[in-house]
Amino acid sequence: KAGVTQTPRYLIKTRGQQVTLSCSPISGHRSVSWYQQTPGQGLQFLFEYFSETQRNKGNFPGRFSGRQFSNSRSEMNVSTLELGDSALYLCASSYLQSNTEAFFGQGTRLTVV
Amino acid sequence: KNQVEQSPQSLIILEGKNCTLQCNYTVSPFSNLRWYKQDTGRGPVSLTIMTFSENTKSNGRYTATLDADTKQSSLHITASQLSDSASYICVVSAGTGNQFYFGTGTSLTVIP
Repeated sequence: KAGVTQTPRYLIKTRGQQVTLSCSPISGHRSVSWYQQTPGQGLQFLFEYFSETQRNKGNFPGRFSGRQFSNSRSEMNVSTLELGDSALYLCASSYLQSNTEAFFGQGTRLTVV
Repeated sequence: KNQVEQSPQSLIILEGKNCTLQCNYTVSPFSNLRWYKQDTGRGPVSLTIMTFSENTKSNGRYTATLDADTKQSSLHITASQLSDSASYICVVSAGTGNQFYFGTGTSLTVIP
């Protein structure tokens, strides 16, 4: 059974650009959560999607958005990139709600220059 | 304020020794607590998940304990190996389980 797949693994963008990250959950999993990880702040929750609906949202500005498709794949979009958005972005999938076991992908390392 | 604090921030131990990592939380209402291991440059991997009624859960050489009264959890690693070198993150979920609070992790280095 394939694990959680995130693409791309690495990305370099310039300030002001936008970026879209992709996450394919484990087959059969319906919940996808997104996290930002930086050395100073640790892991921070962005949002969770379940059956194409956003169920919960962390404390991030509106520049961060996401969506989930009918096949449970999810995308995260960051608009008007800032230097501080440089981070490792992780997604995790769960079978039902994220209260159950969550499996993480390898992450997308975003660098904003 | 819902918070998760981990200690120590970093730890260096000799291969073969045991160690214990701590996690204190003020999250309410408590749903569950998870310990993750994160190798450098990789995504976190779940070690244990415990609900309110569970006091101890083991996963090989990893044993997690939970005291819901004092809101403390510990992760005990037995007979450490070089591959245990990683960051260990404590995550507490609240409410219906959809709100997550993360500790900043303990960086463990096992040396030969």
